[in-house]
Amino acid sequence: RKEVEQDPGPFNVPEGATVAFNCTYSNSASQSFFWYRQDCRKEPKLLMSVYSSGNEDGRFTAQLNRASQYISLLIRDSKLSDSATYLCVVNMGEGYSTLTFGKGTMLLVSP
Amino acid sequence: NAGVTQTPKFRILKIGQSMTLQCTQDMNHNYMYWYRQDPGMGLKLIYYSVGAGITDKGEVPNGYNVSRSTTEDFPLRLELAAPSQTSVYFCASRPSAYGYTFGSGTRLTVV
Repeated sequence: RKEVEQDPGPFNVPEGATVAFNCTYSNSASQSFFWYRQDCRKEPKLLMSVYSSGNEDGRFTAQLNRASQYISLLIRDSKLSDSATYLCVVNMGEGYSTLTFGKGTMLLVSP
Repeated sequence: NAGVTQTPKFRILKIGQSMTLQCTQDMNHNYMYWYRQDPGMGLKLIYYSVGAGITDKGEVPNGYNVSRSTTEDFPLRLELAAPSQTSVYFCASRPSAYGYTFGSGTRLTVV
């Protein structure tokens, strides 16, 4: 099983749609979780951290399910500017100095 | 506060040449990282550092070297460039417990 797995997509949605991505991780001791956004040929940028109780930032909602070892990202009222690749990022546990990146899920929002 | 600064932004090397990719951060972060990203692929960790004077290999260290003489700087050295090293290189830093901040990347082509 890969350490962090994501559906590569692409997810094609119209403007205004709601879309959700899931990501699974292999290490049950994982402690920190993040969603990053990467635009084409640009550096990844932190979208939001994911907290145990779930958290929301405007149109974006992140959820963590430790029992099933997955995190999710929900985007409501999609905008054209949301088109990007969304990277799931996990700290695999205490003693790990690095974060583990999924390969990303591509989202394409059309008019 | 410039964040993470990478130079150069673009470079073309001939096979067998050497070069140093520069990375500087002004956030006083202990942890610094070098990743490469091939077209359509995920991020692969080359080297990382948890503090000045300490470096460690990542997933794909062959053909590269690093040093960390100061907290701010983490240069990546390519010796004897090969076409397989054609990629986009991202430097990142973080404090001990949060997500990464990435530089804007160096696009390297080896011909």
